[in-house]
Amino acid sequence: QSALTQPASVSGSPGQSITISCTGSSTDIGFYNAVSWYQHLSGKAPKLLIFDVSRRPSDISDRFSASKSGNTASLTISGLHSGDEGDYYCTSYKTTNGLGFVFGTGTRVTVL
Amino acid sequence: QLLESGGTVVRRGGSLRLSCVVSGFTFNNFAMVWVRQAPGKGLEWVSTIDGGGVSVYYADSVKGRLTISRDNSLNTVFLQMDSLRAEDTALYYCARLPAYNHGWGSDYFDLWGQGTLVTVSS
Repeated sequence: QSALTQPASVSGSPGQSITISCTGSSTDIGFYNAVSWYQHLSGKAPKLLIFDVSRRPSDISDRFSASKSGNTASLTISGLHSGDEGDYYCTSYKTTNGLGFVFGTGTRVTVL
Repeated sequence: QLLESGGTVVRRGGSLRLSCVVSGFTFNNFAMVWVRQAPGKGLEWVSTIDGGGVSVYYADSVKGRLTISRDNSLNTVFLQMDSLRAEDTALYYCARLPAYNHGWGSDYFDLWGQGTLVTVSS
């Protein structure tokens, strides 16, 4: 099972919005509404931002939103600020080649 | 809270057992996973074990060499690592899946530990 495809890097100025794409296939993202997104800041544990395609945990800011269309999921960060700098990963449940999960390749977000 | 331990430097072909002690929730109600990150690489799902320790799942890259288990009386999940290879060098995280097992409608990881570092040397 190949990793989901994300852009290696995305950047934006403070206050702007950015969108990170995550492309899979009809056997993972396209088949299940089990897409989640994680923020991984340097030296910290990964943090759940989004689950079930577009749902936010209660402690996550509404600056983070997400959606899915076909085999591609997207995460949007609005009102970008320096604290958002880090790595972002998507993941999807999958059932081909065994039950489990596949992560995206990861996207480094830089605030200019 | 999830606290991993057991990471160290080990020779290629050697063995190691990682532990993850959990507190703050009813451990046996939840599946647990191991996720790793090799140096300079992205996150990779390694393995899942259901709440009862009966159903286990592995990534193809570790199947037959890594074994997940749990002791619900100790609130601990383990990862036994055998026949270690250089490509197993990584920071290993344990995380909680907020359901008893995969495919129960909660297929994501809501709590994570800080990780434990495994280095496989030649």
